[in-house]
Amino acid sequence: KNEVEQSPQNLTAQEGEFITINCSYSVGISALHWLQQHPGGGIVSLFMLSSGKKKHGRLIATINIQEKHSSLHITASHPRDSAVYICAVREQGAQKLVFGQGTRLTINP
Amino acid sequence: DAGVIQSPRHEVTEMGQEVTLRCKPISGHNSLFWYRQTMMRGLELLIYFNNNVPIDDSGMPEDRFSAKMPNASFSTLKIQPSEPRDSAVYFCASTTTGRPEAFFGQGTRLTVV
Repeated sequence: KNEVEQSPQNLTAQEGEFITINCSYSVGISALHWLQQHPGGGIVSLFMLSSGKKKHGRLIATINIQEKHSSLHITASHPRDSAVYICAVREQGAQKLVFGQGTRLTINP
Repeated sequence: DAGVIQSPRHEVTEMGQEVTLRCKPISGHNSLFWYRQTMMRGLELLIYFNNNVPIDDSGMPEDRFSAKMPNASFSTLKIQPSEPRDSAVYFCASTTTGRPEAFFGQGTRLTVV
């Protein structure tokens, strides 16, 4: 079993829909990252969370430390949101990131 | 700051050749990471340095892979000899103590034929 599990692996939706991507992990962590990778390949850090909730524009990230679970939400989705979204955790006492397999999101116009 | 800079962006080489990937971290960052991304395995940590010292190289697949960080502003990942199964996108990222955000370079797409 992977230390970081994402679901779903693939998600296709229509423009305007509310999107949720989930991430579960099995280790104690000091931080959780949500990353976005566009078809061009570059990786952008969207959020870094250690507790609670963060919001940036149409993106919202939440984390429940007790349940070892995080969600990334996109409101009013748009075709430009189409990308791979990757969850990564930093284990307690460590510097390195452990990655989920990613969720490929496609938003159709 | 220009961010994490990797070169080259694309590399195509023949099996058996030596390949060197380069990374310049963000100035002032003291941790540098090399990751590999493939369709089958996703993103994997290969090695990371803290204050130019290799801390964890357990992800380096085999002796054909080596990484150096001669100073705080430069790191290399070398594959010698390269094999087709090394084809992947290699990412470099940097962070600094107390600021856990990770900053990624644009990646080097390596194709070994």
